[in-house]
Amino acid sequence: QVQLVESGGGLVKPGGSLRLSCAASGFTFNYYYMSWIRQAPGKGLEWISSISGTGNTIYYADSVKGRFTISRDNANNSLSLEMNNLRAEDTAVYYCARDPEGWLAYFDSWGQGTLVAVSS
Amino acid sequence: DIQMTQSPSSLSVSVGDRVTITCRASQSISTYLNWYQQKPGKAPNLLIYTASSLQRGVPSRFSGSGSGTDFTLTISGLQPEDFATYYCQQSFTTPTFGQGTKVEIE
Repeated sequence: QVQLVESGGGLVKPGGSLRLSCAASGFTFNYYYMSWIRQAPGKGLEWISSISGTGNTIYYADSVKGRFTISRDNANNSLSLEMNNLRAEDTAVYYCARDPEGWLAYFDSWGQGTLVAVSS
Repeated sequence: DIQMTQSPSSLSVSVGDRVTITCRASQSISTYLNWYQQKPGKAPNLLIYTASSLQRGVPSRFSGSGSGTDFTLTISGLQPEDFATYYCQQSFTTPTFGQGTKVEIE
């Protein structure tokens, strides 16, 4: 079955950097768009970035554009999110999710999430 | 960005009740609307996609309807495991979510 497992979260100071990873299994990874979606404590869901199966097409939310970089390694079935210049408002649980339709349609499988806390 | 507004923000209901949650888009999104259920400490789970298509494995008591700007998620006969927060999400443009509707025990 489809499994997505995030890792790499933790406590980081404002202005710092962090790299999140998502290990995928149970499906043909390079066929699917993959996305990162976050949820601040006690708040709703915010889509932040998506990448096509080949990695050639990438989208970012304005809130992270220029600070975050999404990438994928299809040989190792993994998705990454490089986060730089982190701010307090980036504090959230970060989920990786699969998009089965390939056009930022909807998200049919999610990981368990990894918590990023930005605080001095 | 397209804004998604859900109502109500919360509701208290009993097992067996029929529950209706609405979602309004700030502009027409055709049927590019999806619904998720999220339980505390867990990832969201897709219930309905493209307004009315039931995701595989989701009980048939969940249904969705609507087009344009107004959409509805209906739970026919609420079960104990349905107490959760529900989110709508538009996919007409880069995804945005509603603020959530918490379904609580009365």
